[in-house]
Amino acid sequence: EDQVTQSPEALRLQEGESSSLNCSYTVSGLRGLFWYRQDPGKGPEFLFTLYSAGEEKEKERLKATLTKKESFLHITAPKPEDSATYLCAVQLYTGNQFYFGTGTSLTVIP
Amino acid sequence: EAQVTQNPRYLITVTGKKLTVTCSQNMNHEYMSWYRQDPGLGLRQIYYSMNVEVTDKGDVPEGYKVSRKEKRNFPLILESPSPNQTSLYFCASRREEYSPLHFGNGTRLTVT
Repeated sequence: EDQVTQSPEALRLQEGESSSLNCSYTVSGLRGLFWYRQDPGKGPEFLFTLYSAGEEKEKERLKATLTKKESFLHITAPKPEDSATYLCAVQLYTGNQFYFGTGTSLTVIP
Repeated sequence: EAQVTQNPRYLITVTGKKLTVTCSQNMNHEYMSWYRQDPGLGLRQIYYSMNVEVTDKGDVPEGYKVSRKEKRNFPLILESPSPNQTSLYFCASRREEYSPLHFGNGTRLTVT
């Protein structure tokens, strides 16, 4: 069965304390892996797409990486405004289904 | 501003009373879809549409209907809502088959 698992469920960091969020997947025919940020009361906001093992994408303090079985979202020197829930999703080659993880709730304390 | 607009943002209704949640996008996207988000279950796809008059079921379609008569609009219809449809609903659109999703800000539905 296709599955996407995110860990940890919740993470509290001091401002400036770098860490990583994990998204592991067991799917057949991965077309792309997506990272989203979701703030309370809002819809998920697109961050990155990764297509192949070894690929990396960066945006400000965030860097996403991909292996054959998992993806990491690295947060370097986080700030309180980085507090949000981070979701990952996989899309298969069939194209029309996205499978989402349950997210990691990140809190950055000043 | 490019956006996906859902209405209403909050809705409280009673079991069996038909309701419609509207969704509109101004990006001329081909693909649109509906998701529900429940604690511990993540986002699950209800229905999706690849173009006008073309729709198909997602993972959890039971109790829902959709239509796509115009490219920009994709309403979600609950003909006889039940309490297990209490959830947070998101509409999303994407430009092409393998493009990322753009989400609306959600509709929180409570069915009593």
